[in-house]
Amino acid sequence: DTGVSQNPRHKITKRGQNVTFRCDPISEHNRLYWYRQTLGQGPEFLTYFQNEAQLEKSRLLSDRFSAERPKGSFSTLEIQRTEQGDSAMYLCASSPFVGTERADTQYFGPGTRLTVL
Amino acid sequence: AQSVSQHNHHVILSEAASLELGCNYSYGGTVNLFWYVQYPGQHLQLLLKYFSGDPLVKGIKGFEAEFIKSKFSFNLRKPSVQWSDTAEYFCAVLNAGNMLTFGGGTRLMVKP
Repeated sequence: DTGVSQNPRHKITKRGQNVTFRCDPISEHNRLYWYRQTLGQGPEFLTYFQNEAQLEKSRLLSDRFSAERPKGSFSTLEIQRTEQGDSAMYLCASSPFVGTERADTQYFGPGTRLTVL
Repeated sequence: AQSVSQHNHHVILSEAASLELGCNYSYGGTVNLFWYVQYPGQHLQLLLKYFSGDPLVKGIKGFEAEFIKSKFSFNLRKPSVQWSDTAEYFCAVLNAGNMLTFGGGTRLMVKP
């Protein structure tokens, strides 16, 4: 496994701008998750995909947030009209194929740190 | 909604001291429980997990955790910590929607 990768690792933007983050899961992992972590807190769930289908969305995911996973491989998380409160670490995780014993274990990427000025 | 509580926000220990980090969860049904660790500058890594069976689970680097259903607890232990164990530790529960609910984390500092 090469691990979950995320790009960019850091993003600084001005309030009101749009940003997009990318996540590449571990090869052949069919579930992909997005979490947000603010300073001093544990990660909070945002949304998850099974293949290309978005199956769950948190209340934290306002209408300014959108996530996609075309073709069931990499995923993008877009935040429109960023606000200072969006400043956080955005984490991506993936888990193995459903039906395997390890299916419920999520493997995390390094995250994208967003700073909104 | 499920919640996870980690009682200690910061722990400072000397090398070779024993460690126990508390974790309590709110969900009363079947639970899948995890401990993740985040070393300085690194991403979250899985330490150990409990799905079923033996309530005492062993993980990497000498860590273990005990699932006590009656106490809704899943405390993390290590008999003798090392300076390299300095990190932030997160307890998490997997809910029916396949999302992890994390505790607030415990920052462990081990003095050499």
